[in-house]
Amino acid sequence: NAGVTQTPKFQVLKTGQSMTLQCAQDMNHEYMSWYRQDPGMGLRLIHYSVGAGITDQGEVPNGYNVSRSTTEDFPLRLLSAAPSQTSVYFCASTAGDEQYFGPGTRLTVT
Amino acid sequence: GDSVTQMEGPVTLSEEAFLTINCTYTATGYPSLFWYVQYPGEGLQLLLKATKADDKGSNKGFEATYRKETTSFHLEKGSVQVSDSAVYFCALKTGGFKTIFGAGTRLFVKA
Repeated sequence: NAGVTQTPKFQVLKTGQSMTLQCAQDMNHEYMSWYRQDPGMGLRLIHYSVGAGITDQGEVPNGYNVSRSTTEDFPLRLLSAAPSQTSVYFCASTAGDEQYFGPGTRLTVT
Repeated sequence: GDSVTQMEGPVTLSEEAFLTINCTYTATGYPSLFWYVQYPGEGLQLLLKATKADDKGSNKGFEATYRKETTSFHLEKGSVQVSDSAVYFCALKTGGFKTIFGAGTRLFVKA
């Protein structure tokens, strides 16, 4: 099993550009989520999905869109990047009590 | 709402020192409690967990006891190694799927 994979590892965007962060898991987990990690703030939930076709907002959803067309994939879209979205983004899938995290995408918006 | 508070870092220790990272929580109901660890450049991974009061989670020499009376889940290790340098996150889950994380505590261990 590859577990949870994320691409790209690093990305630099200009203000106003859009992009999609990719996330995939091969463990057949129904629940997946996106977090952003900022210094001193821990992990904040952006969006989550409880299964294909079902998504919902987390704590900090503004400026981000998600979709879940398959169990495996859960992409995160930045609609119009802003410097405040400079962060490290983690995708995770959940089985029972445990979350499995991807390696993260470090995004810088200039 | 539910929340997790953990001690601010960074914590700097010499190798073989005793480690304590404090964690307290606020939750309705009966949460499961977790410690996750994040090594440099990696995602978080589960270190240990406890699902009910007085349970002790343990892994890789780390331990934490679920204390309902003090709403705490402090992480301890008797003798830290350089390889334990990482960021440690306390977290809780109260049913459903959402996990709430603390802000993280960075640990540096010097040789």
